[in-house]
Amino acid sequence: GAVVSQHPSWVICKSGTSVKIECRSLDFQATTMFWYRQFPKQSLMLMATSNEGSKATYEQGVEKDKFLINHASLTLSTLTVTSAHPEDSSFYICSAGQGGGNTEAFFGQGTRLTVV
Amino acid sequence: DAKTTQPTSMDCAEGRAANLPCNHSTISGNEYVYWYRQIHSQGPQYIIHGLKNNETNEMASLIITEDRKSSTLILPHATLRDTAVYYCIVRSYYNTDKLIFGTGTRLQVFP
Repeated sequence: GAVVSQHPSWVICKSGTSVKIECRSLDFQATTMFWYRQFPKQSLMLMATSNEGSKATYEQGVEKDKFLINHASLTLSTLTVTSAHPEDSSFYICSAGQGGGNTEAFFGQGTRLTVV
Repeated sequence: DAKTTQPTSMDCAEGRAANLPCNHSTISGNEYVYWYRQIHSQGPQYIIHGLKNNETNEMASLIITEDRKSSTLILPHATLRDTAVYYCIVRSYYNTDKLIFGTGTRLQVFP
């Protein structure tokens, strides 16, 4: 079946630095990918929709200048957490699908970000 | 997309069937019912989905009521590895793979 891969699986960074997370669709092309954030013992919260070749669409309350999304190709979307702070520590997950409400969406394995 | 309501947590004995309910009383005609699960510190895993007919695959069965206002996910023989948070999600046919997660049901399978 289709696979979505995230890299890295975990990262520790210093406060004030930026971190880039990659999301790849390995055997299909995805014009749209999604980025989620999950805090401990909470559900996944949709952050933004990544659109290939155009600007990302951010959910209400998500700072677009802090969470930079780039979707330069049909198989790769990146999320950059800029000037990270400890409160940005979270589990970040991406997803992609082959389009349409009758097909499953696939999720990456997630990236655990810890800002110290 | 319509909202769903699930119990916060459930327990199930290993080897028994786990029946996880979901209420989606505001579902509309072009919306599918999807089930995903998330094992600790992993990305969500697709389980099954359906529109109005009952569905079965190698992982589970999905029973949707005739009025489509509720559904039940059935894991026929639960194992310890089925311990996870199970999410019931309603998704429009026209949706571009966007999924909105509710709080889910934390299923604990015990020996």
